[in-house]
Amino acid sequence: EIVLTQSPATLSLSPGERATLSCRASQSVSSYLAWYQQKPGQAPRLLIYDASNRATGIPARFSGSGSETDFTLTISSLEPEDFALYYCQQRSGWPPFLTFGGGTKVEIK
Amino acid sequence: QVHLVESGGGVVQPGRSLRLSCAASGFTFSDYALHWVRQAPGKGLEWVALISFDGNHKYYADSVKGRFTISRDNSKNTLSLQMNSLRTEDTAVYYCARPLGFDSAELESWGQGTLVTVSS
Repeated sequence: EIVLTQSPATLSLSPGERATLSCRASQSVSSYLAWYQQKPGQAPRLLIYDASNRATGIPARFSGSGSETDFTLTISSLEPEDFALYYCQQRSGWPPFLTFGGGTKVEIK
Repeated sequence: QVHLVESGGGVVQPGRSLRLSCAASGFTFSDYALHWVRQAPGKGLEWVALISFDGNHKYYADSVKGRFTISRDNSKNTLSLQMNSLRTEDTAVYYCARPLGFDSAELESWGQGTLVTVSS
């Protein structure tokens, strides 16, 4: 079973700053990694898929990078609406189980 | 526009059963695999189950295997989750979700969730 470890657990930043979130897999997931944003009381929203592709409607300030076991979600300049929880997710090859990381909370400093 | 609406949540005693439904619209339902994902209060996301586009293949997280059954009715555009032998640790918001591609791993569309509370 592949385990995804996200760090840091909490990131305290100010609007306009750059946010760098990490997701590390216990074994290679190739580039099959996605990132989600979740705000209180809302369902998650897909931001990035296949490690670096932005989903439809996602602003260009969100970018993803990485492969194999180390992945990064970068928010180039934080907007007020970006303060939220962020999860990474991968799918094992077979059976096609999904695994989520524990999440990183981006909070206002 | 993809629309997923869950229903059927509520308060149930440990050991009892509950059936969740997810009504889908805005896409060709029978083309897509579908998932259930849950989130315990204040906790992270946990994948629960997956069903193939035709309903012939089903997969479950170890935590629910043997107790939960995922199913679908492609004639009614409805996804279901039958939950038996419920435990307090099954308390969560349950989301149905559709992947980006027909059977891809990324979940592009989510419902608003339905809360299941297992408590005596």
